Amino acid sequence: QKEVEQNSGPLSVPEGAIASLNCTYSDRGSQSFFWYRQYSGKSPELIMSIYSNGDKEDGRFTAQLNKASQYVSLLIRDSQPSDSATYLCAVNPPGGYNKLIFGAGTRLAVHP
Amino acid sequence: ETGVTQTPRHLVMGMTNKKSLKCEQHLGHNAMYWYKQSAKKPLELMFVYSLEERVENNSVPSRFSPECPNSSHLFLHLHTLQPEDSALYLCASSQDLFGLAGAYYNEQFFGPGTRLTVL
Repeated sequence: QKEVEQNSGPLSVPEGAIASLNCTYSDRGSQSFFWYRQYSGKSPELIMSIYSNGDKEDGRFTAQLNKASQYVSLLIRDSQPSDSATYLCAVNPPGGYNKLIFGAGTRLAVHP
Repeated sequence: ETGVTQTPRHLVMGMTNKKSLKCEQHLGHNAMYWYKQSAKKPLELMFVYSLEERVENNSVPSRFSPECPNSSHLFLHLHTLQPEDSALYLCASSQDLFGLAGAYYNEQFFGPGTRLTVL
């Protein structure tokens, strides 16, 4: 079983819609969760971090964490073509200080 | 310079060459990392340095040799590489913080990467 799983996509949404990206992780007790955006040919850019159950909002982005179900999601409201990228979920496993486990990423395509 | 910088941005080398990748962070962080990103594979953690000491070596072949002379600089020395080592090599840094009730904060920020091609 992969430690961090994401649907590879592509997830195609129309401009202005809500894009919903999901991630599940295997290590119960994982404590920190991150979403990175990676444009083609570029390096990952941190867009959200979440540490406790519930929702965390930052502009058009909302991260949701449910530790009991071991999933974390990212919602992008009012999606724009510039949001088209690969979104990487990363998890800090229990006791894994300094260690992030990355999912393979979900490719998002926002079409006009 | 701001953030995390890496040089060179592109590198082509033969299997018998020796080269080094350089990373510098301008964020005052206390931990630095090397990752490898191959096509269609998740990011792979290679090495972690925390407070200039190596704390993680993720079963990386000895043809990759890291060096961290101080908290701002990180090198990856390469020798006798194989074509399958061709990939994007990413450096990252973080300021690791332990908060209340055992909370741990580890936001990692990446440099632009070095695109390595081994012929």
